[in-house]
Parts: sequence; structure tokens; C-alpha cells
Amino acid sequence: GQQLNQSPQSMFIQEGEDVSMNCTSSSIFNTWLWYKQDPGEGPVLLIALYKAGELTSNGRLTAQFGITRKDSFLNISASIPSDVGIYFCAGREAGNNRKLIWGLGTSLGVNP
Amino acid sequence: GAGVSQTPSNKVTEKGKYVELRCDPISGHTALYWYRQSLGQGPEFLIYFQGTGAADDSGLPNDRFFAVRPEGSVSTLKIQRTERGDSAVYLCASSRTGGPNTGELFFGEGSRLTVL
Repeated sequence: GQQLNQSPQSMFIQEGEDVSMNCTSSSIFNTWLWYKQDPGEGPVLLIALYKAGELTSNGRLTAQFGITRKDSFLNISASIPSDVGIYFCAGREAGNNRKLIWGLGTSLGVNP
Repeated sequence: GAGVSQTPSNKVTEKGKYVELRCDPISGHTALYWYRQSLGQGPEFLIYFQGTGAADDSGLPNDRFFAVRPEGSVSTLKIQRTERGDSAVYLCASSRTGGPNTGELFFGEGSRLTVL
């Protein structure tokens, strides 16, 4: 099945830096979601986006639903050590609302 | 309980054996999902229940995999004649409804299955 193209695959930054990751699809989506997964845990929803152009913040996290409806990005500002984990994008294609399609994840490391 | 509960957290079995994995969703959530996650991969959709019925089982890899949710709450994922390739973390998630704007899936911690 389709998978989302998520990049970068991994990144390692200094504490306090900002970080950005993005996801692209080959088809139009009507929902974009960003999850964080810690080792041994299930994914936890960070931000949900439902409208093209929508920009939503959750604390230091900001995500946007791309105007073309084929992409989304997640920004983390002023990173801290507890931001370490794997970030997944997920979305639903227009016309197929039940199934979430997932990216392969971005592994984030933060150097204190 | 407050969150999605999955048991067992770890299961080691031998090739060819039968395995059951249990999921207890958040109380009142009508939609329940099973995913499988291999190392370095995102969750792979297996099956979705709306109430007691399987609304979409297109992700089940073959007929060795089966899931039930007889009373619309707890679900059991059943794997027959396990193979080494079935080794993965099996994640369960629930949401309030299964409608198009129900992005908010709440995941359990997963059941790690190892087939020797």
C-alpha cells in the first residue's frame, strides 16, 4: 500500500535548536496527523490537521497542512532532551477516510 | 481504565504455535484498530472495528490472522501457525468514533511478539 515520504529519516541536534520535518504524499489527503513514539510505548498524537492551509500549534510544536493537500510539516522550537523520540506523520486520503497511511518516521536525537 | 490496555506486553512463542493478543480500549470508544509495527517502520494497518463488526480487514496479511470484538469493547487478535515473520509489536488503538475527522487514535503500549 501507499506510504508517506517522510524526511529526514533521522537528525541529531543541540538542545535549544529548532527542528523541522516534513511529509509528502502522491495523492490528496484530507487529514494530516503527527505522532511521537517513545521506546516501548505506543504513538501519542501531537497535532491533528483537517483543512488545507491550517496551521496549528501545541506548545513548542507547530504543524501545517500544505495548500496542495499533499504535504505537511512539523516544527519543534527550542528543543529539549525530552523531545527525543521517533516522530511519525500519518494521514487519510480523500475518499478513504478509514485508513491511516503512515510515514516511516523521523528519529530525533537531542544533545544536552 | 484510563488508557488502552494491551496484554501480554511480551510474548515469546515457537513457530507453529497459536497466539492470542488482547486489547481493552478506552471506555466508550466505538472504533478499535489493530496495527503491526516492525523495527524501524511505521505502524502497518491490520483491521478496524466499528462496534462489534470488522469494518475493514483489508490489512490482515493472510488467513492465519483473525480478530474479534464480540461485545464491542475488548478485542482479541488471533494468530494461527505462527511464523518467524510474524515477530513484531502489535499495537491496538481506539477512538471515540470512526468518522472522517476522528484523527485522534489513542494507542496502547503494544504487545511484542517474538516467534522463535
